[in-house]
Parts: sequence; C-alpha cells; structure tokens
Amino acid sequence: QSVLTQPPSVSAAPGQKVTISCSGSSSNIGNNYVSWYQQLPGTAPKLLIYENNKRPSGIPDRFSGSKSGTSATLGITGLQTGDEADYYCGTWDTSLSAGVFGGGTKLTVL
Amino acid sequence: EVQLVQSGAEVKKPGESLKISCKGSGYSFTSYWIGWVRQMPGKGLEWMGIIYPGDSDTRYSPSFQGQVTISADKSISTAYLQWSSLKASDTAMYYCARHIAVAPAHNWFDPWGQGTLVTVSS
Repeated sequence: QSVLTQPPSVSAAPGQKVTISCSGSSSNIGNNYVSWYQQLPGTAPKLLIYENNKRPSGIPDRFSGSKSGTSATLGITGLQTGDEADYYCGTWDTSLSAGVFGGGTKLTVL
Repeated sequence: EVQLVQSGAEVKKPGESLKISCKGSGYSFTSYWIGWVRQMPGKGLEWMGIIYPGDSDTRYSPSFQGQVTISADKSISTAYLQWSSLKASDTAMYYCARHIAVAPAHNWFDPWGQGTLVTVSS
C-alpha cells in the first residue's frame, strides 16, 4: 500500500479536462514539494510537473499542478489519445527520510 | 543532452548475485544525486534509494535497507544497484534517474534511464 493515495483510474473524452488527485499527510505532501510523472505504455516515466506546479521545458501548458494542504492535483486539459498513460505523484517523506510515490492512476481517453 | 543509459536485461536464478548499472552523460555526474526506482510487473513505482556520486553518501528507503546496495564509480560516471542473493520477488523493472535536490525535502527525478528488466526464476 502506497504512502500517497491516488485513484486507480480516471477517464474522459478527447478534448475534455481531467484531474488526478494525490492525498498524503503532514509528513510528506503537507510540508514538501510534489512532482508528477507520466508513464506511457512500455516506456520509462517522464517528469511532468516539479515543485508542485512548474513544468519542465517541452511539457505543454495543458498539464498543470497544484497543492493544497496535504493533497496535490494534476490537471490535464484538451485531452488527446496520446495522453493515455499511468500518472504518478511523488514527494519526500520527512518521517521516512525517503522519497515516496503514489500508487499511480491510469488515464483512459475514451 | 542529459542521458542515463542502463545495462541490459538480466535473467538470474534465486540465490545468485547481480549488479546492474546506470551511466550518466551530458552533465556533471558528481554534482547530482542518482536514484533507483523499482516497478514490479503490473505495479506502481517504488522509491528505493539515492546516492551522491561526489562523496558516495547513500540513503535508502526503509523498505529496501539491507536488501540492496547502491554504489557509484565517479571516475566512469556510473551508478550501480546490486543484490547479494536474489529472490523471485526481486523480479521487476529497475529504473535509475537523476535526483535533483534543491534541498533535502525539495527534489524530483529527471531524466530517467530506459530501465533494466531483472527476471529471477529457477
């Protein structure tokens, strides 16, 4: 069982918007920065969002991140079939003195 | 271009030892932490540990402490993940990634290696 909780799956139609939640505690999300990763089928994960809401160069502004309290959210607008992937949140856990990931959310673009 | 290139797939028997590698290029290898992440078949990502090649400072997740050893050879810009006695439950894809740490609790992984598939079966 993961330290961070994500919904196992979400789905939406092409062109629509979807949000993926990541819930933690004061020892992780509540006091540390959150990052998000996209894992397309059969490939390595790729950084999507860092420092809660910053996008690396090359990541379109359709992807956004936010954090409030002990939860974080990844938003994706203008959904495309190419966005179908697993999405993971990650952060540092001060109690564990180690990093942690969420269990992952599978996005289906119907 | 910053790149991490991992060693190839391995098939081992239970009880055997193994060391897989991750070679960094395109950046100062000794100035960034390198991390290892496990992904068991059909499962999510698990944070294993990180190493700072500059001084070999190493941190492990409690779940992996004592189960694996992380090391680095800065002279060849390569990090390693090793097992002394593999178990069937070690079957997984293992990723290395550059761990960017602005502060101890302010960090992220970027970029990631292509992954090394380890299969342990009798």
